[in-house]
Amino acid sequence: GEDVEQSLFLSVREGDSSVINCTYTDSSSTYLYWYKQEPGAGLQLLTYIFSNMDMKQDQRLTVLLNKKDKHLSLRIADTQTGDSAIYFCAEPRGYGQNFVFGPGTRLSVLP
Amino acid sequence: NAGVMQNPRHLVRRRGQEARLRCSPMKGHSHVYWYRQLPEEGLKFMVYLQKENIIDESGMPKERFSAEFPKEGPSILRIQQVVRGDSAAYFCASSPGVGSSNYGYTFGSGTRLTVV
Repeated sequence: GEDVEQSLFLSVREGDSSVINCTYTDSSSTYLYWYKQEPGAGLQLLTYIFSNMDMKQDQRLTVLLNKKDKHLSLRIADTQTGDSAIYFCAEPRGYGQNFVFGPGTRLSVLP
Repeated sequence: NAGVMQNPRHLVRRRGQEARLRCSPMKGHSHVYWYRQLPEEGLKFMVYLQKENIIDESGMPKERFSAEFPKEGPSILRIQQVVRGDSAAYFCASSPGVGSSNYGYTFGSGTRLTVV
């Protein structure tokens, strides 16, 4: 299909790991992205992964890419209350100037 | 570096009025992108502009919406004769160029338009 898909909600306890999943559509995408949106704010680029990589780790963040299944995931280790936000995966379209975003996963971190 | 600046942060308009949303890209960025986020939804691409040129407006509604990025000054997204369905958050992003957008855009904080 045309849409980037994500589950809409995820709740975890503080200190646990969070895994946010995304299914994208364009197998030729060179980069895939994760953005974070806090309440009332714009989108902040969290991390990205090049399509020839399977995994990328950046401190508490781990991105896994399964190109065969067009599946992207974001793992947040030791989740904190400050991680509560909406997480969007995105893929470029066209010549890379147009991004298609998933609907966002709302992460709630419970104390 | 002040980042991408959007103003106003909040805008209230009555049905039928015009809304003007402004976006100043990051210093050194010549590419601007507008996205719309409807309540509880993801962002939808609207238009991509370079200085004085519209490159891709495939996401713009056919009527009432227009965008410009003049040689001097901010990019403007203009919505004429607003209707309730235009209520949304409008985000602007910028990048130095198409190739560099591989590393993702820089987004502004958005303008939240409410039509009453």
